[in-house]
Amino acid sequence: AQTVTQSQPEMSVQEAETVTLSCTYDTSESDYYLFWYKQPPSRQMILVIRQEAYKQQNATENRFSVNFQKAAKSFSLKISDSQLGDAAMYFCAYRSAVIKAAGNKLTFGGGTRVLVKP
Amino acid sequence: ETGVTQTPRHLVMGMTNKKSLKCEQHLGHNAMYWYKQSAKKPLELMFVYSLEERVENNSVPSRFSPECPNSSHLFLHLHTLQPEDSALYLCASSPGLAGGYEQYFGPGTRLTVT
Repeated sequence: AQTVTQSQPEMSVQEAETVTLSCTYDTSESDYYLFWYKQPPSRQMILVIRQEAYKQQNATENRFSVNFQKAAKSFSLKISDSQLGDAAMYFCAYRSAVIKAAGNKLTFGGGTRVLVKP
Repeated sequence: ETGVTQTPRHLVMGMTNKKSLKCEQHLGHNAMYWYKQSAKKPLELMFVYSLEERVENNSVPSRFSPECPNSSHLFLHLHTLQPEDSALYLCASSPGLAGGYEQYFGPGTRLTVT
């Protein structure tokens, strides 16, 4: 079974600075997807960024970028030019790319709380 | 309404009560999910429905009973719950079951079992 580990329960960053959230995962599969989800205090979880394991190029979405190290099974998220609206829980998640009859389970890490100081 | 909506947003129930959580998606998706988010555990998948057929039951106790009458609606019927069932229950939907699809989440129902 796949597992996802986020070792930082909480990270604090000054507004306009950069913060990096770590995520490691364990899998025996070679084809899969990795996601970062953001859950603001209002609780609606939204997708921040997605990475396909077969792509070597790191995904970027505006101020959000990832450092995907497949051999190390590491998938960190960098938030650049942090804004007050970035304050939230961030969850790393894994999903197999192999089509299964029962669907592909999205496995989440425990989350990292990001605090943004003005 | 757009996206994924859930009602009620907050629910307090006794251990002997019966209640239902409702989820509705306005995205034309074919797959819907129930997740449980507890304070001290990672988000846990409970059930998966694809085209109104349950395809995954992740070892969830029978006191939780899902229902998917059509591809836009998903219910979670609750009965004889335990205090440890207090949690945030999130509904999500996706276009299909393939791994690359984004899941869209609702705001959740905060459930307190007294």
